[in-house]
Amino acid sequence: KNEVEQSPQNLTAQEGEFITINCSYSVGISALHWLQQHPGGGIVSLFMLSSGKKKHGRLIATINIQEKHSSLHITASHPRDSAVYICAVKDSNYQLIWGAGTKLIIKP
Amino acid sequence: GAVVSQHPSRVICKSGTSVKIECRSLDFQATTMFWYRQFPKQSLMLMATSNEGSKATYEQGVEKDKFLINHASLTLSTLTVTSAHPEDSSFYICSAREEADRGYHNEQFFGPGTRLTVL
Repeated sequence: KNEVEQSPQNLTAQEGEFITINCSYSVGISALHWLQQHPGGGIVSLFMLSSGKKKHGRLIATINIQEKHSSLHITASHPRDSAVYICAVKDSNYQLIWGAGTKLIIKP
Repeated sequence: GAVVSQHPSRVICKSGTSVKIECRSLDFQATTMFWYRQFPKQSLMLMATSNEGSKATYEQGVEKDKFLINHASLTLSTLTVTSAHPEDSSFYICSAREEADRGYHNEQFFGPGTRLTVL
């Protein structure tokens, strides 16, 4: 079993839909990252969080430390949100453990 | 957030040649830099961790004589793929971490990646 599990692996939705991507982990962590990787490969860090909730524009990230679970939400989704979203946790040695990613396609 | 650049963004080379990829932190000093490799439709795989001025720590299964990493300054790390073969074709991504607390809380910043194709 992977230490970081993401679901779903693939998600296709219509423009405007509310999107939720989930991440569960089994190790002790100091922080959790949500990253976005576009088709060209470049990676953008969306959030780093260790507790609670963060919001940036249409993106919201939450984390429940007790349940070892985090979610990334996208409100009013748009085709330009189409990308691979990756969850990565930082363990006690500050090493990143990566999830497999969720490929999101938003259709106009 | 801080900015990390990589050069080149794309490189095509012949089998047997060596390729150098540069990773620079543009507005902060990166005491630690990481090199990742990503195969198509797969997650990132950590290759090695380098600390400025010391030898890189390679992950299990990564050949240190093939993937030479140099972190000679606080703003530059290089990855050299020596005697490249077609199976080395991949997407290589670096990230940098600043140890000093400027509010980034040891956050890692990612370069845009370098796509290597070995013919």
